[in-house]
Amino acid sequence: DQQVKQNSPSLSVQEGRISILNCDYTNSMFDYFLWYKKYPAEGPTFLISISSIKDKNEDGRFTVFLNKSAKHLSLHIVPSQPGDSAVYFCAASAQGQGAQKLVFGQGTRLTINP
Amino acid sequence: GAGVSQSPSNKVTEKGKDVELRCDPISGHTALYWYRQSLGQGLEFLIYFQGNSAPDKSGLPSDRFSAERTGGSVSTLTIQRTQQEDSAVYLCASSLMANVLTFGAGSRLTVL
Repeated sequence: DQQVKQNSPSLSVQEGRISILNCDYTNSMFDYFLWYKKYPAEGPTFLISISSIKDKNEDGRFTVFLNKSAKHLSLHIVPSQPGDSAVYFCAASAQGQGAQKLVFGQGTRLTINP
Repeated sequence: GAGVSQSPSNKVTEKGKDVELRCDPISGHTALYWYRQSLGQGLEFLIYFQGNSAPDKSGLPSDRFSAERTGGSVSTLTIQRTQQEDSAVYLCASSLMANVLTFGAGSRLTVL
């Protein structure tokens, strides 16, 4: 039962353009969402998060959008840079239910082409 | 320490052997998590420790898997009688603030 899904295993974007990574979830109890970035041979690192009381959170080049009715969130990176090439994981938790574990998606490999 | 430290970074073992993977969390972090990533898959939750509370073991795939956390700090994940499907990168994470996990670099386990 995949509660968090990233349906695109890979995405290729030209440097300077916008990268849009998508994530869908099925559990309506999820109320906190995060994006993590992972380089090869390293652990995932926290990128940006959003609470279900918001529909947008912005941090520099990174913006996360949340559409609760569609159970969908997306990460926008603009402008994309070669250093953004990595695997991106979305994650969710049901904080309001006292659940502290994060449920992760399968990841999307983003490649930024010069 | 400055980050989450895991050892060994790589482990190759024969099917049927037991393995132990170690995690040193960030000092002061009360929560500790184990996840694994199999080839081409996402991060699969295994177990979660929070302070002195009973651990959440709901993600352990079989009774061959166990974990303990001694003194609220170092954790050991033990896999008994390893199988080929146990091959994966085992990731440990710790956190002070709910949800923002800091991950280690992982232990890559290969079962031949």
